[in-house]
Amino acid sequence: SAVISQKPSRDICQRGTSLTIQCQVDSQVTMMFWYRQQPGQSLTLIATANQGSEATYESGFVIDKFPISRPNLTFSTLTVSNMSPEDSSIYLCSARTSGVLSTGELFFGEGSRLTVL
Amino acid sequence: QKEVEQNSGPLSVPEGAIASLNCTYSDRGSQSFFWYRQYSGKSPELIMSIYSNGDKEDGRFTAQLNKASQYVSLLIRDSQPSDSATYLCAVNQGGGYNFNKFYFGSGTKLNVKP
Repeated sequence: SAVISQKPSRDICQRGTSLTIQCQVDSQVTMMFWYRQQPGQSLTLIATANQGSEATYESGFVIDKFPISRPNLTFSTLTVSNMSPEDSSIYLCSARTSGVLSTGELFFGEGSRLTVL
Repeated sequence: QKEVEQNSGPLSVPEGAIASLNCTYSDRGSQSFFWYRQYSGKSPELIMSIYSNGDKEDGRFTAQLNKASQYVSLLIRDSQPSDSATYLCAVNQGGGYNFNKFYFGSGTKLNVKP
């Protein structure tokens, strides 16, 4: 398994500002992902964070709004830019284990609950 | 059509009973199947994974997979109030372009009444 730490755990932000969420994994993992979970909804994949290259975004999500970095195998950041109340959500960092002994399961950080006023 | 379908519930069962949670998926090529538990205000926690047809047991939990029917279920025996949570079904296609893409159902809310 992988232990994933995220910060901040929650924040209240003003419209038009940006917030960066940090994610740290306790072991080297091949794949890291960012999900969004809006109130009462399931998980929506925002993007795959690729180490050393640009993230791969899902339909409906763009780099200008959600820039992502992954400078090494254990760390990634997600920025929510020019925030609006519609961005109020829980943002979840996740990682997929890999390797000979891995079962390819997906693990999640504690989440960052973002409220935009 | 959604990739993964779950009944949103709530499913209410008395303490000590068996809770049965169901999930269907649309992509016949799916290879890996997972059940996550999510307490209110918390992130999803992996509780079971299953890859082959049949049953897989882990303590009070049993996952069942039927690829022909595109159906996966989770049974919770001797349900406890602490099992009250939302249970998310997730499916991974396991190969090709979508190797790392997990599709999540909307979750079933389980209430276990003391």
